[in-house]
Amino acid sequence: DTGVSQNPRHKITKRGQNVTFRCDPISEHNRLYWYRQTLGQGPEFLTYFQNEAQLEKSRLLSDRFSAERPKGSFSTLEIQRTEQGDSAMYLCASSKDIRLGGEQFFGPGTRLTVL
Amino acid sequence: GIQVEQSPPDLILQEGANSTLRCNFSDSVNNLQWFHQNPWGQLINLFYIPSGTKQNGRLSATTVATERYSLLYISSSQTTDSGVYFCAVVGYYGQNFVFGPGTRLSVLP
Repeated sequence: DTGVSQNPRHKITKRGQNVTFRCDPISEHNRLYWYRQTLGQGPEFLTYFQNEAQLEKSRLLSDRFSAERPKGSFSTLEIQRTEQGDSAMYLCASSKDIRLGGEQFFGPGTRLTVL
Repeated sequence: GIQVEQSPPDLILQEGANSTLRCNFSDSVNNLQWFHQNPWGQLINLFYIPSGTKQNGRLSATTVATERYSLLYISSSQTTDSGVYFCAVVGYYGQNFVFGPGTRLSVLP
């Protein structure tokens, strides 16, 4: 069990550029979550996957955001036409099915800065 | 949706002191976890405790689900305990975490 990993750890981009983040969950976990955390706040839910199916999306996830988990393993989160308000820490978590306990484990996060 | 409150918002302790952090939630929950967020932003799992009491070294936690609150106890605090402590819950009909606003703890040497 190597834990949840995220890449890159830091990303600085200019407004209007597209960015993509990757999350590798714990191998036996079939649920994968994305959260966003801004300075001084608790993390906020964005979306989650059960295997490869995206089952829920927050209203925070605007049309510029898209997430995929094509083979039910790693996931990517893409932000198109970035805005300064997108600057935040993007956190990924994984868990077993909630009926089996559902304890979530978080990755180290990707810190995005939009200039 | 479910609401989560944490108190106190800020706490300053002298090394060696004990403290209690509280988490109140507005509805029944399937999952409750306590996390410590370190200065680099990593959320470290402390307890998975939708009900009952657990202990891990100097830390312990109690969740009284019927009264919709959870407590995190830190005994003999150390400077390395500094950081933000989050309570997060999954509502009974929910799938994702709702986080509280956190308690920022500073332990002074």
